[in-house]
Amino acid sequence: SAVISQKPSRDICQRGTSLTIQCQVDSQVTMMFWYRQQPGQSLTLIATANQGSEATYESGFVIDKFPISRPNLTFSTLTVSNMSPEDSSIYLCSALLSHGYTFGSGTRLTVV
Amino acid sequence: KQEVTQIPAALSVPEGENLVLNCSFTDSAIYNLQWFRQDPGKGLTSLLLIQSSQREQTSGRLNASLDKSSGRSTLYIAASQPGDSATYLCAVRRTGANSKLTFGKGITLSVRP
Repeated sequence: SAVISQKPSRDICQRGTSLTIQCQVDSQVTMMFWYRQQPGQSLTLIATANQGSEATYESGFVIDKFPISRPNLTFSTLTVSNMSPEDSSIYLCSALLSHGYTFGSGTRLTVV
Repeated sequence: KQEVTQIPAALSVPEGENLVLNCSFTDSAIYNLQWFRQDPGKGLTSLLLIQSSQREQTSGRLNASLDKSSGRSTLYIAASQPGDSATYLCAVRRTGANSKLTFGKGITLSVRP
């Protein structure tokens, strides 16, 4: 089955700065997804990223805060911009494959 | 709107016990259902995927069942081990072109030695 490499695995960032998270899939995929998991909560979908088109954001998430790139069929990035302590979460990328969804190992972000 | 419920939120069992984790969903028009495992602070590992036309799937000590008409799925873990301690998440994929997953909140399992 396909593997998704996600980095960084964790980071501690200063308020007001930005962090870019990268995900690399070892096979070509059409659809990739970005999720946020706040402490003690389940996963919330941020956006769907298809190669060659603008990402589609879910209610409550905007491009200015969470810009996404999808330059090819194996790679995507999510940037968390102008961070505040409320952005402290685990961020996960996911890809839809023939056998279901596969997830990256997650990025644990702490904003201080 | 699809809602996925997993009850209880936490479960503690002694090692060796067979156990069942429950998942219910409100909209039976699903494409498939997937069970995941999440270790603390980590990503998700796919355990089993059941297509809407299937009744169950098995992998090792794990067996997942699906009753689409009643909106229920169960994950059966045989002979539980301390290494099974993790959070187990159920997720439903809707039918149609939209391929979004709807997650339950998960069941945190602790297997005591």
